[in-house]
Amino acid sequence: DAKTTQPNSMESNEEEPVHLPCNHSTISGTDYIHWYRQLPSQGPEYVIHGLTSNVNNRMASLAIAEDRKSSTLILHRATLRDAAVYYCILRDTVRDDKIIFGKGTRLHILP
Amino acid sequence: DAGVIQSPRHEVTEMGQEVTLRCKPISGHDYLFWYRQTMMRGLELLIYFNNNVPIDDSGMPEDRFSAKMPNASFSTLKIQPSEPRDSAVYFCASSLYWNTGGYTFGSGTRLTVV
Repeated sequence: DAKTTQPNSMESNEEEPVHLPCNHSTISGTDYIHWYRQLPSQGPEYVIHGLTSNVNNRMASLAIAEDRKSSTLILHRATLRDAAVYYCILRDTVRDDKIIFGKGTRLHILP
Repeated sequence: DAGVIQSPRHEVTEMGQEVTLRCKPISGHDYLFWYRQTMMRGLELLIYFNNNVPIDDSGMPEDRFSAKMPNASFSTLKIQPSEPRDSAVYFCASSLYWNTGGYTFGSGTRLTVV
């Protein structure tokens, strides 16, 4: 199975942009890149996903490297409510695959 | 939509007792997933259903665990008999599309077995 590598933790200041990196050097051509986050005492929450092109939605942006071996989740203006564990996950679109969570990155927001 | 609804929110039970966790997925979603989260093992996928049929139960830890989905709007995860090591937060999630859409998770059931 394709794996992802994320830093264990990151810090950012409130109201500043946050760039959360994810490495996936063994990604296959049919793997979608998904991001979820888990706020304290809540279930995981879908954030964004993409295949090759950069993606934007109301929550965040996803920048995907041209070779697709890495990606970055961008929170444009972090707030204290963005403090959470962020998971970068690969989902194969051909095999009957499911979402398997790794350890993720714990994001701390400093006021 | 009320989202994925799980009950109870908290459950404390004695070792050896039967425990039943419940989940109501989002209406119209055709996939349902059960996950378990502990500090040691993180989030683990236990089983998932498509159109009420179990597709993959390879994550179910042992025969003490069983899951059913009698209809499109209800699923249960049962542990019989329960053990202290089953203490965890159990999440249910549902999804509309397999390959594209994201999962919607419930708020979870925190299970404590004493």
